[in-house]
Amino acid sequence: DAMVIQNPRYQVTQFGKPVTLSCSQTLNHNVMYWYQQKSSQAPKLLFHYYDKDFNNEADTPDNFQSRRPNTSFCFLDIRSPGLGDAAMYLCATSTRASGANVLTFGAGSRLTVL
Amino acid sequence: RKEVEQDPGPFNVPEGATVAFNCTYSNSASQSFFWYRQDCRKEPKLLMSVYSSGNEDGRFTAQLNRASQYISLLIRDSKLSDSATYLCVVNPVKGTYKYIFGTGTRLKVLA
Repeated sequence: DAMVIQNPRYQVTQFGKPVTLSCSQTLNHNVMYWYQQKSSQAPKLLFHYYDKDFNNEADTPDNFQSRRPNTSFCFLDIRSPGLGDAAMYLCATSTRASGANVLTFGAGSRLTVL
Repeated sequence: RKEVEQDPGPFNVPEGATVAFNCTYSNSASQSFFWYRQDCRKEPKLLMSVYSSGNEDGRFTAQLNRASQYISLLIRDSKLSDSATYLCVVNPVKGTYKYIFGTGTRLKVLA
């Protein structure tokens, strides 16, 4: 049973046309993350939420925004996608637990920009 | 210097071989360390956490060297199914939930 679900799995958009990617979780984890991964590169952290507290990475472009309306859902909005934003977008969750926290990933949303 | 660095490979090894990867990290205060496995066009999946004393899970052994700021992964008796990219993950700041990935090391196990 998938515990972190991302939709859509594949998204094609036109240059400059806004896109929203969604992530839902059934784990009740209080931390949710968005990573961007381009081909042959490391997943790059864009931002994360600890509960409702939003933590933006300093080098995340303003073009990327996020919303977390409740514990279960988190959205990634790309306001004006450029060709360079084509990538796999990975949502992950973690929780404070005994020992080290572990990231659980969704299957990813692959974005193509035409 | 990148926060987390790995040799991208690829490492091409025959079935049954032993192979080792290293990962260096720049922040000496880093707290938590992990190895993730990522198959082509799939999401990363946890392979194992890395503990200070080192730990083993079947054919996989992870080590942490805080003095030299690196972690290692040893795979014994390689299988074809071990072919994947192995990502090193570090939590660089205590008390935060920020996790930084290395670029990964590609492993190809050859028949």
